Amino acid sequence: GAGVSQSPRYKVAKRGQDVALRCDPISGHVSLFWYQQALGQGPEFLTYFQNEAQLDKSGLPSDRFFAERPEGSVSTLKIQRTQQEDSAVYLCASSFQGDQETQYFGPGTRLLVL
Amino acid sequence: DQQVKQNSPSLSVQEGRISILNCDYTNSMFDYFLWYKKYPAEGPTFLISISSIKDKNEDGRFTVFLNKSAKHLSLHIVPSQPGDSAVYFCAAWEGGTYKYIFGTGTRLKVLA
Repeated sequence: GAGVSQSPRYKVAKRGQDVALRCDPISGHVSLFWYQQALGQGPEFLTYFQNEAQLDKSGLPSDRFFAERPEGSVSTLKIQRTQQEDSAVYLCASSFQGDQETQYFGPGTRLLVL
Repeated sequence: DQQVKQNSPSLSVQEGRISILNCDYTNSMFDYFLWYKKYPAEGPTFLISISSIKDKNEDGRFTVFLNKSAKHLSLHIVPSQPGDSAVYFCAAWEGGTYKYIFGTGTRLKVLA
């Protein structure tokens, strides 16, 4: 079956540009997570959705970061006025319920801000 | 403040031998742990998990051990195979939250 997909796979942005990263979770998965992975680090939690409700956004590093999942399936992570420190791989994961369950990750979007 | 630590950034093991990857944590509220494996340019893939009520879980060549008193878990791979070469992350779940906390990863290289 289809796994989690993310697009684009690679994005180069000029500093100050806005970017939008898309995640298509596994069909039927209620929960969706966004993570940021800097070079040489593990994934760091950004935000969590249960269906369309954003239940935890405590990991978003600044108000330039915004995520949505309006219909409870596809999610978009938007970064406004990108900065060089935003350069990272952005990973999306989904799980059936969202409790202490296995999360299935997409391949990630590698963002490079110049 | 790193709540989940993988102190060995890399490990090399001969094919057929045992690989032991270690993970330490500081938060006693963590009650579920997972190991993920990651190949370059791919997302992490789930390998094995363990609940805090257990001290061992086995799945084929992979065994995870949990020592709650020491706040330490380890992943054993026996026998190691060249295809096991990847970055391994441990992750911990705190009950009542929605997130996994990941370690920084250990790069395993299995030499043929």
